[in-house]
Amino acid sequence: GIQVEQSPPDLILQEGANSTLRCNFSDSVNNLQWFHQNPWGQLINLFYIPSGTKQNGRLSATTVATERYSLLYISSSQTTDSGVYFCAVEPYGGSQGNLIFGKGTKLSVKP
Amino acid sequence: NAGVTQTPKFRILKIGQSMTLQCTQDMNHNYMYWYRQDPGMGLKLIYYSVGAGITDKGEVPNGYNVSRSTTEDFPLRLELAAPSQTSVYFCASSSSGGRRTDTQYFGPGTRLTVL
Repeated sequence: GIQVEQSPPDLILQEGANSTLRCNFSDSVNNLQWFHQNPWGQLINLFYIPSGTKQNGRLSATTVATERYSLLYISSSQTTDSGVYFCAVEPYGGSQGNLIFGKGTKLSVKP
Repeated sequence: NAGVTQTPKFRILKIGQSMTLQCTQDMNHNYMYWYRQDPGMGLKLIYYSVGAGITDKGEVPNGYNVSRSTTEDFPLRLELAAPSQTSVYFCASSSSGGRRTDTQYFGPGTRLTVL
């Protein structure tokens, strides 16, 4: 089946720094989503981005479907950005909505 | 809108006991999902439903059952609890726009321990 790899696995930042998280996937996908899991365990959808670029405040994401990767950019990081960031893909030709998750990038933002 | 709600928040079961995890959404979404998240890992799909009366297996269905009698509710049943089912369980829902499903919205999770 499709493989979803995220890097780096862990990231420690000083407040105010910028960062880039990467998601590589091994096969074609119908859609790709980025999620943030906060320290209390709640999962929040950040982007639904099968291709192209989207921005939402300090966060933006780019998916290059032909090259099978997606990037999540966090600018001017804040302590509230801490948590785990997951990339999830719906394989092309697979069941609708059947998301395959990567293992996540754990981000810690220090004040 | 309350979004996706799950009950209970926490539960401890003994080996062999049964229980039902409840999930309700008020967004009129046709798609609903159950995932489990083991420590340090991403989520894995257990079962999903594309509408009332229709369910299908995901990646890790063994030991679980589901039903979908209404659009709003999607309960997950554990018949004979085993220690390997200790995990955090998340329910999610999404609408479907044509050939693609839309953004998935998650409930707060149920932390289950089987001893």
